[in-house]
Amino acid sequence: QVQLRESNAGVVRPSETLSLTCSVSGGSLSGGGYYWSWVRQSPGKGLEWIGFVYYGRGTQYNPSLKSRVSISVDTSRTQFSLRLNSVTAADTALYYCARGGGNGNSVYHFDYWGQGTLVTVS
Amino acid sequence: QSVLTQPPSASGTPGQRITISCSGGDSNIGKNTVSWYQHLPGAAPKLLIHRSNQRLSEVPDRFSGSQSGTSASLAISGLQSEDEAEYFCATWDNTLNALVFAPGTKVTV
Repeated sequence: QVQLRESNAGVVRPSETLSLTCSVSGGSLSGGGYYWSWVRQSPGKGLEWIGFVYYGRGTQYNPSLKSRVSISVDTSRTQFSLRLNSVTAADTALYYCARGGGNGNSVYHFDYWGQGTLVTVS
Repeated sequence: QSVLTQPPSASGTPGQRITISCSGGDSNIGKNTVSWYQHLPGAAPKLLIHRSNQRLSEVPDRFSGSQSGTSASLAISGLQSEDEAEYFCATWDNTLNALVFAPGTKVTV
């Protein structure tokens, strides 16, 4: 059974960089075929896809965040990370990591999710 | 403002059948498949349907999905109290080059 768990980021100061890690167990990041993704939900708003990393092929980011975001697989190959720089209050949200399925450069669905971690920019 | 729209709420009595619509356009639902999720407060979203009508094995067959043109639907038959949750659809948008989520529909039983 695949399990994902986000690290805690807590409070991040405006203009600084938000860093989160997602630990994956029960599955391999390097096995290929999956789109390891980050999704967030701001208070009172809907879900927003941030981006994904596909091991061995590269990354794809939401154009609305592309200039500030980076997603990568850690050398341990059991974790992947999110970095979002120059944060503002608008980046306050519940951040989820998830495993996605898709085709080519497109992700279509997420079958496993972490429980989410709340990040507050203040 | 999402490119996908859903009714903000839906309701039904136990045993009833309800349908939740997800409307999009030519660049998203018109070209790609749709996934549906159930989201309970304090929990991670749960994938119910992928590829528009493929139900996960652990999901009760009361849940079904369909797609036609630029719209998709999630039907819940034999409504149960445990089905009270928020439901949202998602798909890839070829113009935005991003996965997009609909705002969600709050289902009350």
